[in-house]
Amino acid sequence: QVQLKESGPGLVQPSQTLSLTCTVSGFSLTSNSVSWVRQPPGKGLEWMGAIWSGGSTDYNSALKSRLSISRDTSKSQVFLKMNSLQTEDTAIYFCTRAITMMGAFDYWGQGVMVTVSS
Amino acid sequence: DTVLTQSPALAVSPGERVSISCRASEGVNSYMHWYQQKPGQQPKLLIYKASNLASGVPARFSGSGSGTDFTLTIDPVEADDTATYFCQQSWNDPFTFGSGTKLEIK
Repeated sequence: QVQLKESGPGLVQPSQTLSLTCTVSGFSLTSNSVSWVRQPPGKGLEWMGAIWSGGSTDYNSALKSRLSISRDTSKSQVFLKMNSLQTEDTAIYFCTRAITMMGAFDYWGQGVMVTVSS
Repeated sequence: DTVLTQSPALAVSPGERVSISCRASEGVNSYMHWYQQKPGQQPKLLIYKASNLASGVPARFSGSGSGTDFTLTIDPVEADDTATYFCQQSWNDPFTFGSGTKLEIK
């Protein structure tokens, strides 16, 4: 059974760094890519970036300077780090699995709400 | 970036057929996917690569299109289909989502 679960702090201060973990089960990180997608309250979805099955990464150019995605395959975990957070980074952060070679996200975590506020 | 344009909202009655459109600012081949999101939930994949039904999704949902114009069709609509529907492309970098179409069932 494929599952993804995000974890991390619910509150981050402005200018600080956000660190999130996505723990997956039911599939291997060396077989499927994992992406991070975020959704500000009441708004649409934004693809942030991905770590591909081979370990390489790709980032949305709008976030590239602040964002880092990595993984630990032995622990089945994917990590997101984003620095210089501002209030507009307040959002629900989802990790998702993509169908191989499709770029369609077939499994999603429940999401973690992150609020940027002092 | 590839901009995906969707109508903001639609309202239909149960049993009717509804088509939700998504227009891309540049070609995406057939790499367009559709999601359903209900309040407080994560998105759910309905259709991938324009016309392929995702696992466990009722056959009432179908997708069509290629290039820049795509359509998600629900026929017949049921009350439980009340949700926001997003399109997403994975042909151009970065992947992008439409702004969503909120479907109301009268």
